[in-house]
Amino acid sequence: DGGITQSPKYLFRKEGQNVTLSCEQNLNHDAMYWYRQDPGQGLRLIYYSQIVNDFQKGDIAEGYSVSREKKESFPLTVTSAQKNPTAFYLCASMGQGSWHQPQHFGDGTRLSIL
Amino acid sequence: AQKVTQAQTEISVVEKEDVTLDCVYETRDTTYYLFWYKQPPSGELVFLIRRNSFDEQNEISGRYSWNFQKSTSSFNFTITASQVVDSAVYFCALSEAGSGGGADGLTFGKGTHLIIQP
Repeated sequence: DGGITQSPKYLFRKEGQNVTLSCEQNLNHDAMYWYRQDPGQGLRLIYYSQIVNDFQKGDIAEGYSVSREKKESFPLTVTSAQKNPTAFYLCASMGQGSWHQPQHFGDGTRLSIL
Repeated sequence: AQKVTQAQTEISVVEKEDVTLDCVYETRDTTYYLFWYKQPPSGELVFLIRRNSFDEQNEISGRYSWNFQKSTSSFNFTITASQVVDSAVYFCALSEAGSGGGADGLTFGKGTHLIIQP
């Protein structure tokens, strides 16, 4: 079945360490997104990519980095510069020219600091 | 700038009661879409409905109904005869056509935690 796969489901980060969250989709979607969710908060956009080899900062990009080398993959790196990384991270995708369509979401990754 | 407000942080009702979740939005675009998503305890987001800015027709799907009113910039969601399985966090979200052709990401409200007690 087509969908979005995020891994791992749970991730722990040590101080000063970079960690990478994986997001893979087999929906042949052009656009991909990363959102962060904190308790009692809505989702906030970190980065998004509308085509391969191109991406834009969202509302809270500081301390994060992304790459888009393949259409189906959009990994998110949480760098040591992100001082408060503990959150639930959701990846989403959407087909080109279908901005009015709902975004498809993965099951999320919960990141915690050790 | 666009904004979505869900003023109700948490709502608790007894099973079989009707409940309405409020959503108020702000946008300068004349072309936009509104969405409702459900987030059960497992964490994934489940799409419920979308509505475009040119269609103010209300919609009913089983026990769910949506009331879109451009005059008040609201897109409210009602669950009739609520059930325990409806317990979840519900998010309202906005997508604007904007300069990016609408692919710039969704703007979410903070969500309403709905608790249905047996």
